[in-house]
Amino acid sequence: QITLKESGPTLVKPTQTLTLTCTFSGFSLSTSGVGVGWIRQTPGKALEWLALIYWDDDKRYSPSLKSRLTIAKDTSKNQVVLTMTNMDPVDTATYYCAHRPYSDFTAWHFDYWGQGTLVTVSS
Amino acid sequence: QSVLTQPPSVSGAPGQRVSISCTGSSSNIGAGYAVHWYQQLPGTAPKLLIYRNNNRPSGVPDRFSGSQSGTSASLAITGLQAEDEADYFCQSYDSSLSGYVFGTGTKVTVL
Repeated sequence: QITLKESGPTLVKPTQTLTLTCTFSGFSLSTSGVGVGWIRQTPGKALEWLALIYWDDDKRYSPSLKSRLTIAKDTSKNQVVLTMTNMDPVDTATYYCAHRPYSDFTAWHFDYWGQGTLVTVSS
Repeated sequence: QSVLTQPPSVSGAPGQRVSISCTGSSSNIGAGYAVHWYQQLPGTAPKLLIYRNNNRPSGVPDRFSGSQSGTSASLAITGLQAEDEADYFCQSYDSSLSGYVFGTGTKVTVL
């Protein structure tokens, strides 16, 4: 079965760079049509999509955060890494990675999610 | 900055039917992008509940159903049960933003 798990620091200081790793099993990120995305949830519960990487290494970013984000994959390790620069207290949130299955372009969604990791930004 | 609008809360007694709306625009739901629904139980990650407007993943009870019309979509829960008390989020794709968008979330309370 498909599982994903996020790992990384729980506390970062303002202006620092956050690096999160998603380690997954049960699928290959070299399978055509498959992707892994990152979504965060603020303490107020709002969900915000951040980035997604496809099986062919194509990358997509949220326009509002694009300048701060980098997503990369290591297919051999079954890992996807997200970096976010210049962290601010407003970036305090639970960060999830999720599996995006193959589907036509009108029906993109996430069918499996990791448990999430809470990242607090504070000095 | 959620692009899809949902009511903050809905409630119902056990056994009743409740409905959650998800209102979008001509660049997402109205453009033909499907709506998907997630259930988030307290302290857990979101779980896919409905995909492509009205399809249930394996294991999701048929008490949950989805529909879509124009620039809006709805999630209905019939025969409400105590275990349905959770937050529910809709999700689609927005062509103007070139990205995935989520609803504001709705808390379902079982009275």
